[in-house]
Amino acid sequence: AQSVTQPDIHITVSEGASLELRCNYSYGATPYLFWYVQSPGQGLQLLLKYFSGDTLVQGIKGFEAEFKRSQSSFNLRKPSVHWSDAAEYFCAVGAANFNKFYFGSGTKLNVKP
Amino acid sequence: DGGITQSPKYLFRKEGQNVTLSCEQNLNHDAMYWYRQDPGQGLRLIYYSQIVNDFQKGDIAEGYSVSREKKESFPLTVTSAQKNPTAFYLCASSMLASEAKNIQYFGAGTRLSVL
Repeated sequence: AQSVTQPDIHITVSEGASLELRCNYSYGATPYLFWYVQSPGQGLQLLLKYFSGDTLVQGIKGFEAEFKRSQSSFNLRKPSVHWSDAAEYFCAVGAANFNKFYFGSGTKLNVKP
Repeated sequence: DGGITQSPKYLFRKEGQNVTLSCEQNLNHDAMYWYRQDPGQGLRLIYYSQIVNDFQKGDIAEGYSVSREKKESFPLTVTSAQKNPTAFYLCASSMLASEAKNIQYFGAGTRLSVL
């Protein structure tokens, strides 16, 4: 069965520090992978996606993620966090041959001044 | 502006009442989805529709109903059979077919509370 695990429920980092949010997936075929960000009371905004090709993908707001097939992971990174990055982040997996997506339970990011 | 519009932003339900959440998209997307979001549980799929006049149950469809009479619209009814409806509801849409377009776009959500 398909599933997505985000092992960290809450993460706190200092402004200017680097960030890595973990995501592990379980999927039988080649996955399509996504990271979304959600501000309080808002919908989800797509940060980046991986479909194929280069395993390091760049997204908006200075985020990047690396697909590692051997580890079934798609971790999100940012070299220097800004206070405006405080939000909840969701990893998701989908497939091309059907339109069902599976989301992780989210990681809430707090940024200390 | 193209996008997904959910209304209302806040909704209150009385005991035994059915309420309907609206979702409209002008992205010309074929597929539409409804998710329920509870704190600490991420997004759970309620219903999805890949084409007009067709829809499938998701993981938590009990107590909910949908219709897809128009491509642009996918309303969700929370029936009185849903005993714990308080949650944040998100509507999404995506193109079908090619991988370049297989991305879900989300509305701003509706927060439903029970009076």
